[in-house]
This record gives sequence, structure tokens and C-alpha cells, in this order.
Amino acid sequence: DVQLLESGGGLVQPGGSLRLSCAASGFTFGRNAMTWVRQAPGKGLEWVSVISGSGDITYFGDSVKGRFTVSRDNSKNTLYLQMNSLRAEDTAVYYCAKSFTSNWDANLDYWGRGTLVTVSS
Amino acid sequence: EIVLTQSPDFQSVTPKEKVTITCRASQTIGNNLHWYQQKPDQSPKLLIKYASQSISGVPSRFSGSGSGTDFTLTINSLEAEDAAAYYCHQSSGLPLTFGGGTKVEIK
Repeated sequence: DVQLLESGGGLVQPGGSLRLSCAASGFTFGRNAMTWVRQAPGKGLEWVSVISGSGDITYFGDSVKGRFTVSRDNSKNTLYLQMNSLRAEDTAVYYCAKSFTSNWDANLDYWGRGTLVTVSS
Repeated sequence: EIVLTQSPDFQSVTPKEKVTITCRASQTIGNNLHWYQQKPDQSPKLLIKYASQSISGVPSRFSGSGSGTDFTLTINSLEAEDAAAYYCHQSSGLPLTFGGGTKVEIK
């Protein structure tokens, strides 16, 4: 069975940094693009970033561009999201999700349980 | 950016009723439209891919239709376990976007 397990969330002060991880199992990790989606408390879903299966192509939403980076280690079946210069509006549950293909242009067929990031002083 | 507009925002429905949720894209996206269900305190789950393709393990009462700019998610004979928020999502262009969501409540 496909499993995605996020970790690394927590409370951080404005301007601080945090690195999220997503450990994947149950599929050939390097064959699929991976996506980060976030959900602010009581709000809808917001796409954050996507990385191709090989890791050489990345895209970001405008709200995080220049502050967040995404990477993956296919030898460890792990996806990362480095978040810098955090703001209160970045407070959300962060989900990692598996793309149906190796590129960004597909549905998200499996999602993790999410990890909560709270940005507050 | 491709904006997805869902309607209604909220629907209160009696069990066994039919539910229809619409998603309108701000520009044509072919069939690159997917539907997700998110139950309270759970992560989203894929319900329908590419506008109308069913997903293994999803009950047959869920179906999708549409292409271009107008899409519909239909739940035939609603069950109590279908209480959830439903989101559409487009994978036609970057940035990837989601609709604002439709919350379905069981009367």
C-alpha cells in the first residue's frame, strides 16, 4: 500500500525556518512527481510546490516563491520542503501528495496525513 | 492563473438525495480536472480523475462529467458517510489550482 508520512511541523517564530519531510513507501518513488499542498485552519486547499520524479524540475506558488525550496532524495524515498522567512499566513497543515505521473500535470492520487506548521511569536 | 469556481459553497442534503456540485474554470482545461473528498480531520482523497474517470475503491454513486470549462460531480443517493468537503483541482496549467470547496452536510 502507498504510504506518505509527513514530519517536521511545529511552532516557529515569524522570519524563522523549518524543514518538512515526507517519507514515502509502497511505490517506486522516483517514478512520480511529488506535490506539497497546504490548508490554513478552516480554509480550502492551496497548492504550494511540485517536483518532478527525477528532481530536476520544480515549481512554486506565488505566495511561497523565493522563500520555499523543494527537494527529494530518491535513494531515501523522501521528499523535503525547506521553508524560510516564514510568515503568519504560512500557518497551515502541509500535505505531501503523490502525482499520478512523473510530471506536474496530473491528479494527486495519494495524500499523507499532513503536518501542522504554526507561525507565531 | 486558472481560477476554479465551485458552487454551491454549502449544501444540506437528506440521505438518498442526489447531490450535484459544479466547478467552472476561468479558461478551457480540456479534461484535466479532478475531484477530491475531504472528511473532517482527514486528508483529501481522490474521487474522480480527468473529469469522468472512476477510481478503484470509490463507490459507484460518485460520478463526474464535463470538459472545457464546466464540470460536475454527482453523488447519487447520498449516504451519511458522504458528509465532507469536496474540491475540484486542475492540472492543465501552472500554478495548479483548487476550487474553493463545497461542504456537504447531512440533514
